[in-house]
Amino acid sequence: EAQVTQNPRYLITVTGKKLTVTCSQNMNHEYMSWYRQDPGLGLRQIYYSMNVEVTDKGDVPEGYKVSRKEKRNFPLILESPSPNQTSLYFCASSFGTWNEQYFGPGTRLTVT
Amino acid sequence: AQKVTQAQTEISVVEKEDVTLDCVYETRDTTYYLFWYKQPPSGELVFLIRRNSFDEQNEISGRYSWNFQKSTSSFNFTITASQVVDSAVYFCALSEASETSGSRLTFGEGTQLTVNP
Repeated sequence: EAQVTQNPRYLITVTGKKLTVTCSQNMNHEYMSWYRQDPGLGLRQIYYSMNVEVTDKGDVPEGYKVSRKEKRNFPLILESPSPNQTSLYFCASSFGTWNEQYFGPGTRLTVT
Repeated sequence: AQKVTQAQTEISVVEKEDVTLDCVYETRDTTYYLFWYKQPPSGELVFLIRRNSFDEQNEISGRYSWNFQKSTSSFNFTITASQVVDSAVYFCALSEASETSGSRLTFGEGTQLTVNP
């Protein structure tokens, strides 16, 4: 089954404790990206990747890191999480920016 | 910079009413794509439609229709004879690919549609 998976689905953590949210797709998509969803702000792109070893900043990259060592995986790293990073995070993949995005189920992160 | 505005934060209708969700965008590129996605209460994001900047034909898919007008930079979405299952948050999105904007995808703020029985 074609899908995008994210783990964990729910995470509560404390300020400053490094965490990684994994994202994996099985559709051989080249384009992958991370979004955060906040009430009243819609979805905002954090980082995207056009292909392996090619990543670029989206609209809200501060406080986040990503890597793309393999085509199927695109982890999101929060080196020192802060409460303003409490949000719902979605990973997505597609054949390109101009194509339909396939979204993961979302990860709800709470930073206390 | 590209921007998408969905001015309607919330819309509430009664079943069988028609409803239009507005989407206005800003871009300096001549080549771009527009999208609509649906997010039902279960939370997943579901793709509805994609439109490129060179195709201004309106599209109809069952009870759904889309009106793309470059002259007003709008890509509005109409649901005819709404049903309770249409209750969801709907997002409009814009994709550019240029040297200045990179390959970003910009979403609007979303419109919460509630269809009451």
